[in-house]
Amino acid sequence: DGGITQSPKYLFRKEGQNVTLSCEQNLNHDAMYWYRQDPGQGLRLIYYSQIVNDFQKGDIAEGYSVSREKKESFPLTVTSAQKNPTAFYLCASSAKSYEQYFGPGTRLTVT
Amino acid sequence: RKEVEQDPGPFNVPEGATVAFNCTYSNSASQSFFWYRQDCRKEPKLLMSVYSSGNEDGRFTAQLNRASQYISLLIRDSKLSDSATYLCVCKTGANNLFFGTGTRLTVIP
Repeated sequence: DGGITQSPKYLFRKEGQNVTLSCEQNLNHDAMYWYRQDPGQGLRLIYYSQIVNDFQKGDIAEGYSVSREKKESFPLTVTSAQKNPTAFYLCASSAKSYEQYFGPGTRLTVT
Repeated sequence: RKEVEQDPGPFNVPEGATVAFNCTYSNSASQSFFWYRQDCRKEPKLLMSVYSSGNEDGRFTAQLNRASQYISLLIRDSKLSDSATYLCVCKTGANNLFFGTGTRLTVIP
């Protein structure tokens, strides 16, 4: 099946720990994106990558890091510097056309 | 001012009703527009793109009004399965997608 996968679905961490969220796609899409969604707010862009080995900061990149070593993969690391990491994290991808398709998301809870 | 604004609702409508949502955007340079549907605790799923000439997909009709900077979504003959949050999205530039906070719809039996 073609699609975008994110793992795990739920993740719990203690404050002060870094955590890496996985995102994989087999749609052969060039561009990949990370968003976070908080209650009552629209999705906000964290990072995006248009090609392998290149990525750009989005609106709320502070406290996050990414890598794009393979076209299929775009992992997001939530570092201890992120002040409010508890959120729903969504990965998306798009081809040269502009619709973005989302993975099922990871709910991160930091206590 | 937010890039994209939507009435959060909730809109509670009976089965079979027609319901319409509007969404306004602030950047006149916005090039592309979409409606996504998001079920509770799930990811957004693309419902339809919005074309300048308007477009229809079954019971769903999307319209764009560039002069007034709003897009609309009309749902006819509402089904229980239409209950969800509908996200308005505007694209400006190659990677600048702006999401509204969503309008919640509940279709009542």
